[in-house]
Amino acid sequence: EDQVTQSPEALRLQEGESSSLNCSYTVSGLRGLFWYRQDPGKGPEFLFTLYSAGEEKEKERLKATLTKKESFLHITAPKPEDSATYLCAVLNQAGTALIFGKGTTLSVSS
Amino acid sequence: KAGVTQTPRYLIKTRGQQVTLSCSPISGHRSVSWYQQTPGQGLQFLFEYFSETQRNKGNFPGRFSGRQFSNSRSEMNVSTLELGDSALYLCASSLDQGTTDTQYFGPGTRLTVL
Repeated sequence: EDQVTQSPEALRLQEGESSSLNCSYTVSGLRGLFWYRQDPGKGPEFLFTLYSAGEEKEKERLKATLTKKESFLHITAPKPEDSATYLCAVLNQAGTALIFGKGTTLSVSS
Repeated sequence: KAGVTQTPRYLIKTRGQQVTLSCSPISGHRSVSWYQQTPGQGLQFLFEYFSETQRNKGNFPGRFSGRQFSNSRSEMNVSTLELGDSALYLCASSLDQGTTDTQYFGPGTRLTVL
């Protein structure tokens, strides 16, 4: 069964304190791995798509990497506005449905 | 380009009633997917529509149904509401050009069942 596990469930950082979020997955043929950011009461906001092991993508303070079993979302020198829930999802070979992890809730304090 | 829009944003219903939610995809997007988000289960796939046809379906009871119109707008319907149907219902659209298209989400409809 396809599965996505995110860790930690919650992460508290001080402003400027870099860290990484983990997304482990088992999937029958990976077509793509997606990172989204979700603020309370809002829909997920697209961040990155990764397609193959070794791929990396960056956007401002965020950098996503992909291996054959997991993905990391690195946050460099975070700011309070980076506080949100970060969701990881995979798309398998068979279908069009995203399979989501439960998310990591990040809190950044000044 | 305008993003995915969903109406209404909030709904309060009672058990046994039915509800219809609406989704307008990003202009030019042909695929529309629906997800249910709850604190306990997270985001779970309901179904996906493409060219007015349901192409994929998640593991939800038949009380959950949907449809897509010729302009790609989509509706989902939940009949005989139960307390456990209280959730944020999210719609996502994608281009679907035969590659791994990114799904872009709307703001969601918050459904509360009393």
